[in-house]
Amino acid sequence: LAKTTQPISMDSYEGQEVNITCSHNNIATNDYITWYQQFPSQGPRFIIQGYKTKVTNEVASLFIPADRKSSTLSLPRVSLSDTAVYYCLVGEAGGAGSYQLTFGKGTKLSVIP
Amino acid sequence: GAVVSQHPSRVICKSGTSVKIECRSLDFQATTMFWYRQFPKQSLMLMATSNEGSKATYEQGVEKDKFLINHASLTLSTLTVTSAHPEDSSFYICSALQGGGETQYFGPGTRLLVL
Repeated sequence: LAKTTQPISMDSYEGQEVNITCSHNNIATNDYITWYQQFPSQGPRFIIQGYKTKVTNEVASLFIPADRKSSTLSLPRVSLSDTAVYYCLVGEAGGAGSYQLTFGKGTKLSVIP
Repeated sequence: GAVVSQHPSRVICKSGTSVKIECRSLDFQATTMFWYRQFPKQSLMLMATSNEGSKATYEQGVEKDKFLINHASLTLSTLTVTSAHPEDSSFYICSALQGGGETQYFGPGTRLLVL
């Protein structure tokens, strides 16, 4: 079961680029890497997903090195509304309808004016 | 697209009663849904995997007779907390698996308080 490790917290000023790294040393071949954002008392919101190399969408980029043992979520020019907890999720579909999903403890990002 | 709803958003009940939480995928069909529990300042913990038309798969330590899951259609899964006790008070979140089966979309969560 892939275990993930993230920094507990990060602070950033508005307008800066923020990079949050997640370690997943025993990631399996079939595992995808997904990042979510969660505000208090809300369900997680999908940000981005990747398998290897780099993925970019309208809100973030995801960098995954060749060994896939880590991944970095990059948020360009953060604003106060980006203050939230960010989770990386590594998981795969197992057999007989089972799934192996591991949420990290999350990184609490605080954006400072 | 990819919207998941939960109902109710919050519920308060007396100890010993049962509570049903609904999870619906509004704009896509989901063969598989997941149920998570989240305690304050903690990460999400997977409770069970709900597969349409078959029995749910529970994670180790989760009592299947206490947390009843039914996934009767491709857009609806329900979680029933039976004989709820104060220690069951938590934030329950469902998710639905879309498309090829690699992306989960989460509901807004249900806050359960058992008195």
